[in-house]
Amino acid sequence: KQEVTQIPAALSVPEGENLVLNCSFTDSAIYNLQWFRQDPGKGLTSLLLIQSSQREQTSGRLNASLDKSSGRSTLYIAASQPGDSATYLCAVEGEYGNKLVFGAGTILRVKS
Amino acid sequence: DAGVTQSPTHLIKTRGQQVTLRCSPKSGHDTVSWYQQALGQGPQFIFQYYEEEERQRGNFPDRFSGHQFPNYSSELNVNALLLGDSALYLCASSLQAGGAFFGQGTRLTVV
Repeated sequence: KQEVTQIPAALSVPEGENLVLNCSFTDSAIYNLQWFRQDPGKGLTSLLLIQSSQREQTSGRLNASLDKSSGRSTLYIAASQPGDSATYLCAVEGEYGNKLVFGAGTILRVKS
Repeated sequence: DAGVTQSPTHLIKTRGQQVTLRCSPKSGHDTVSWYQQALGQGPQFIFQYYEEEERQRGNFPDRFSGHQFPNYSSELNVNALLLGDSALYLCASSLQAGGAFFGQGTRLTVV
């Protein structure tokens, strides 16, 4: 059974800092991994999708890496801003067309 | 492109009642999945529909049922509501290898 863990559970940083969010999964046989952002009481916004054959993806100030063999992914946020404050969720898809298995998320607060 | 849309956004029901939630997928997406998210937790998979058939199901009781229509839109039905069914219900649509796109969710409160 796939299990996804996110560390830390919560993070508070001053504006401008670079930061790293961690995601680990127990079964390395994944199809892809996705990072999402969730604002309080809202739906999920897809940030980055990494296919199993890829090592990283970048979008603006965000960079996500994937190491399938060790069951780990990191989300790097450069030059953090107060608008980045949200919950960040990591999810893995075990096989093509399969369900997503989520971690519990990292609550990020960026202080101005 | 309107993205994934869900209705209603908020709902209050009494224990024992039945509820229907609706989802319209992103244009061109043929697969719809439903998730339940309790406060402070990650979303949990309920079931997935493809070509109007339930393709996969998570660990949820039979009180949770669904349907997909020919236009790919979907409904989630929950019977005999319990207080523990209070949660944010999320719909996601996908197409082949493009990843999942989520709607804004329906906040269900059971009193």
